[in-house]
Amino acid sequence: AQKITQTQPGMFVQEKEAVTLDCTYDTSDQSYGLFWYKQPSSGEMIFLIYQGSYDEQNATEGRYSLNFQKARKSANLVISASQLGDSAMYFCAMRGDRSASKIIFGSGTRLSIRP
Amino acid sequence: DAGVTQSPTHLIKTRGQQVTLRCSPKSGHDTVSWYQQALGQGPQFIFQYYEEEERQRGNFPDRFSGHQFPNYSSELNVNALLLGDSALYLCASSSYRVNMNTEAFFGQGTRLTVV
Repeated sequence: AQKITQTQPGMFVQEKEAVTLDCTYDTSDQSYGLFWYKQPSSGEMIFLIYQGSYDEQNATEGRYSLNFQKARKSANLVISASQLGDSAMYFCAMRGDRSASKIIFGSGTRLSIRP
Repeated sequence: DAGVTQSPTHLIKTRGQQVTLRCSPKSGHDTVSWYQQALGQGPQFIFQYYEEEERQRGNFPDRFSGHQFPNYSSELNVNALLLGDSALYLCASSSYRVNMNTEAFFGQGTRLTVV
């Protein structure tokens, strides 16, 4: 069975600082994908970044980077130079090796950016 | 190119009633998955439809049923509504026969309130 664990229910960060959101996962699959999503109060699930289990380099997308440590089964999200608009819920998620595989989500981290 | 669209955006129903939620997948996608997100939690997988058949199912009672149409759009039906069915219902689309893909597309969700 697959499982995602996010141990930080909430975080406060000063604007322009970097922030790391923790995520650990458990799976017996050899091939899988890891995602991070941002969910503002409107409810829409916004895709941020993806890491494949066989990708040797950490994924980066603009201010977002994913610190992937396969041996430790961790996939932390790093947001550089945080902005007020980054305040939202953030979910770490995992999917099997097919695009149609179901997605397993963690419980989320509520990030609040202070001006 | 329209993304995943869901309707309605908000819905209020009375306990015991039945509800139907609708989802149109992103152009080029043939698979629709439904998720339930209770307040303060991560989304939970309900079921997935491909070729008008239910392919995978999460741990949800038979009161939750679905349908997929020839144009790949999908409906989620919930019978005998309970107060605990109040949640944000998210739809995601994908391509069934595509191997690992870097994104999973979600709609904006339908917020269901049962009173």
